[in-house]
Amino acid sequence: AQSVTQLDSQVPVFEEAPVELRCNYSSSVSVYLFWYVQYPNQGLQLLLKYLSGSTLVKGINGFEAEFNKSQTSFHLRKPSVHISDTAEYFCAVSDYRSGAGSYQLTFGKGTKLSVIP
Amino acid sequence: NAGVTQTPKFQVLKTGQSMTLQCAQDMNHNSMYWYRQDPGMGLRLIYYSASEGTTDKGEVPNGYNVSRLNKREFSLRLESAAPSQTSVYFCASSEALLAGALGETQYFGPGTRLLVL
Repeated sequence: AQSVTQLDSQVPVFEEAPVELRCNYSSSVSVYLFWYVQYPNQGLQLLLKYLSGSTLVKGINGFEAEFNKSQTSFHLRKPSVHISDTAEYFCAVSDYRSGAGSYQLTFGKGTKLSVIP
Repeated sequence: NAGVTQTPKFQVLKTGQSMTLQCAQDMNHNSMYWYRQDPGMGLRLIYYSASEGTTDKGEVPNGYNVSRLNKREFSLRLESAAPSQTSVYFCASSEALLAGALGETQYFGPGTRLLVL
């Protein structure tokens, strides 16, 4: 099974500053990668996903992520954060489980982004 | 269009009590999922269902049972609650005919916060 590592559990950043949230996954022949966001007291919602094609993926709210196969990374970036970006961000990989005969999402442990006014 | 709804929002149980968490979606999705979220652990899959009448175990199924009542509803039952089941429970759904299909987007409910004393 895949593993997903989010290298920072908490990231404080000043408003209007850039931010990068790091995500690494264990190697596989092919991977499908996701970033989900969880605002306080809410469920998760999809920010963006990489399936194939261009390695730079654009998502909602001005976020983008770059798939780097050689470094097995899928880091999330935003050039200028807003207070409303304060949330927890989860990286996830679609992983085939042979025992179950299906693909399942494996989530990282999350990164809490705190935007400081 | 309410998306994915969950009831109750909060629940406090004593050890040994039972309860059922309800989940419904109005997006005509085929697959549904139950996750638990614990601090610093990300989301872990408990059970999933690819279609009405079928259910499969995820990563952490022990102590839980599920029922896919119809296409809309997927319930999670704790027969004898334990303190280790204190968590936030999320239901999700996706359009995929094959649960966990590559690239699918999962849509999450707002969660149920459960405390077992």
